[in-house]
Amino acid sequence: AQRVTQPEKLLSVFKGAPVELKCNYSYSGSPELFWYVQYSRQRLQLLLRHISRESIKGFTADLNKGETSFHLKKPFAQEEDSAMYYCGLIQGAQKLVFGQGTRLTINP
Amino acid sequence: SAVISQKPSRDICQRGTSLTIQCQVDSQVTMMFWYRQQPGQSLTLIATANQGSEATYESGFVIDKFPISRPNLTFSTLTVSNMSPEDSSIYLCSVDMDRSKGYTFGSGTRLTVV
Repeated sequence: AQRVTQPEKLLSVFKGAPVELKCNYSYSGSPELFWYVQYSRQRLQLLLRHISRESIKGFTADLNKGETSFHLKKPFAQEEDSAMYYCGLIQGAQKLVFGQGTRLTINP
Repeated sequence: SAVISQKPSRDICQRGTSLTIQCQVDSQVTMMFWYRQQPGQSLTLIATANQGSEATYESGFVIDKFPISRPNLTFSTLTVSNMSPEDSSIYLCSVDMDRSKGYTFGSGTRLTVV
């Protein structure tokens, strides 16, 4: 069975500091991995997907198949980055499953 | 990406009653998904709604409790039946309109059972 683990339920960093939100997965096939973000009072929205290898709002995430990880990183945190972040995994059945989520708080 | 309208946005219901949540998409989609987000928890997939066939339920969810309809390619409903306070959650629908853009989510229905 597929599983997504986000070990940190809460993460607090200061503005300007680097941020890393951890995500590990277990899946025997070729995974499709995503990061979703939910800002206060807004709906869940896609932030990043591993296939695109893009940078959105300064965030990047690299798939490491050896470590089965897809950590989300940003070199300099901004206050507007405060939100809930969910790592998601799609397997061949097209079902998107999520990790437990990490609440990121950026302190001024 | 798809635009999803979900109704109602919130409701307070008496235990033992049922609530039907509607999800309308502005484009035709093959698969629609229903999720539950319990207070302080992540999103859990309830079922996949396919047009023209019965929904596929995840482990721990059954059709009698969460019947789903999918009458066409733009609409689905999820009913929460015989509600108890443990059913108090946010219920969200989602579609896979364009895999390159990820799944799109509705704004959710916040259900409180008293």
